[in-house]
Amino acid sequence: GQNIDQPTEMTATEGAIVQINCTYQTSGFNGLFWYQQHAGEAPTFLSYNVLDGLEEKGRFSSFLSRSKGYSYLLLKELQMKDSASYLCAVRDRGYQKVTFGTGTKLQVIP
Amino acid sequence: DTGVSQNPRHKITKRGQNVTFRCDPISEHNRLYWYRQTLGQGPEFLTYFQNEAQLEKSRLLSDRFSAERPKGSFSTLEIQRTEQGDSAMYLCASSLLAASSYEQYFGPGTRLTVT
Repeated sequence: GQNIDQPTEMTATEGAIVQINCTYQTSGFNGLFWYQQHAGEAPTFLSYNVLDGLEEKGRFSSFLSRSKGYSYLLLKELQMKDSASYLCAVRDRGYQKVTFGTGTKLQVIP
Repeated sequence: DTGVSQNPRHKITKRGQNVTFRCDPISEHNRLYWYRQTLGQGPEFLTYFQNEAQLEKSRLLSDRFSAERPKGSFSTLEIQRTEQGDSAMYLCASSLLAASSYEQYFGPGTRLTVT
């Protein structure tokens, strides 16, 4: 099975940088996703990491360390519209099942 | 085709009634997933189809839940004898069977309220 931990809530200031951490313990691992979910809406894909290292995509970057069971999502130049929940999810080895964490609710304040 | 669609968007039902939800995935996507999400939680995996074959089903899914994808296109999720604990958002997602296409595209969800 999968066990995924991420902080429940975070607050950051508009224009700043915020790092959302995710740790996981798995019986099998085949990649890690980050999704963004605004209140009342469906999750939307942000990133997918399968190898160690940093993947950068505009204002968002995602890092993975498989040996440590650790990932983070880095959001730069925060905007008010970035206020949302950020979901860390792990894909099982050999399967298509994806297990989601409970999400980190980020509030961006002026 | 602009994305994954789900119907209805909202469903209110009385305890003990049966309900059925429909999901229409992105047309070329051959993988389809059902999730359940409650307030403050992440989506919880229910089941997964590749074309018309149901390849995995969560152990948490009781016998009251059944899903079909008869022609490998749209899918239905039925809940029989609904209970108040079934109240949740039911999300459908689809993806393409390809080595690099791991992204799941989610529909807007069906919000079920059991009274």
